[in-house]
Amino acid sequence: EAGVAQSPRYKIIEKRQSVAFWCNPISGHATLYWYQQILGQGPKLLIQFQNNGVVDDSQLPKDRFSAERLKGVDSTLKIQPAKLEDSAVYLCASSLMKNTEAFFGQGTRLTVV
Amino acid sequence: QKEVEQDPGPLSVPEGAIVSLNCTYSNSAFQYFMWYRQYSRKGPELLMYTYSSGNKEDGRFTAQVDKSSKYISLFIRDSQPSDSATYLCAMSVGGGADGLTFGKGTHLIIQP
Repeated sequence: EAGVAQSPRYKIIEKRQSVAFWCNPISGHATLYWYQQILGQGPKLLIQFQNNGVVDDSQLPKDRFSAERLKGVDSTLKIQPAKLEDSAVYLCASSLMKNTEAFFGQGTRLTVV
Repeated sequence: QKEVEQDPGPLSVPEGAIVSLNCTYSNSAFQYFMWYRQYSRKGPELLMYTYSSGNKEDGRFTAQVDKSSKYISLFIRDSQPSDSATYLCAMSVGGGADGLTFGKGTHLIIQP
């Protein structure tokens, strides 16, 4: 079974630029999560989708972050404009349905300079 | 006070030793408790999953939950160099991956 795919693996941008990350969840998984993991911290949930609807985006900085999950499969997370404090690993995870085990991708490491 | 507290380490032990990793938490509504292992430059992978208080064993790994003390532990017996990783505790109210709150993670090093 293929795992959660994320791209790119690494990205370096200057502050105030924009960036987008892509996630392809495990086939058939209805729930998709985006987490932010700052160096030395545990992952923090940014947004949770159930199919193509948003379940929880309470910790998403909506003035600069946006996410979508078209057709309930792939998802993109965008930051515009980026700040230095956005430097982190952005992890995508998926689960078969709500309240089941989540499987994580390898993450995208973002460095904002 | 943060919801979940975890000593970041690093914790360095010799191969074959018993390792004890711990987390404390403040939210008494947490019912589901998990341990994730995260290798360098990889995503977290679920290691142990327990509900409410008690013990759960899986091979060399034992998870303990003491809800009265708001304290959870992960024990690793006969530790191996391949166990070297960051171990994240996580917990939720409703189970599964919904509403997960993670600790900072403990960086564990097993010396050959």
